[in-house]
Amino acid sequence: AQSVTQPDIHITVSEGASLELRCNYSYGATPYLFWYVQSPGQGLQLLLKYFSGDTLVQGIKGFEAEFKRSQSSFNLRKPSVHWSDAAEYFCAVGALGNTPLVFGKGTRLSVIA
Amino acid sequence: DAGVIQSPRHEVTEMGQEVTLRCKPISGHNSLFWYRQTMMRGLELLIYFNNNVPIDDSGMPEDRFSAKMPNASFSTLKIQPSEPRDSAVYFCASGRQGNTEAFFGQGTRLTVV
Repeated sequence: AQSVTQPDIHITVSEGASLELRCNYSYGATPYLFWYVQSPGQGLQLLLKYFSGDTLVQGIKGFEAEFKRSQSSFNLRKPSVHWSDAAEYFCAVGALGNTPLVFGKGTRLSVIA
Repeated sequence: DAGVIQSPRHEVTEMGQEVTLRCKPISGHNSLFWYRQTMMRGLELLIYFNNNVPIDDSGMPEDRFSAKMPNASFSTLKIQPSEPRDSAVYFCASGRQGNTEAFFGQGTRLTVV
């Protein structure tokens, strides 16, 4: 069965500092991997996705993620965090076709001045 | 593109009452997913449809929950009777044929008192 683990429930970083959010997945076949962001009271917005090819993928808002098959990981990074990045971040895994995504429990990011 | 539209955005109801949540997927999308989000359990898939047909409803917690998709542009999630433990944010998401990515609505925050 597919599963996603986000080990960090809550992370606090200073504005301007770098960020890395961890995600590990369990999936029998080639995974399709996603990062979504949820601002308070809002729905989930797609940041980036990995289907195949280059293992370093670029997304919106300056985020990137790297797929490492050997580690079953898909960590999200940003070189310099802005206060507006404070939100909940979800990693998800899926398969080809119209099948549902399986989400991790999320990591809440707080940004301090 | 109006995105996935959910209504109402907020619903407060008394225990025992019937609650109906509504979703209009993105035009041209043929998959529709209902998720529930709580602090304890995160994002859980309740049910999903492909081409208006329910494919997997194993996530529906009890018989009190039912979902329909009478046509490609409308779906409902009904809870009858509602209970306080049903309080959560309910998300609808839609996707395109052969594409794993899901597009989320803003969610309905349900409070059962």
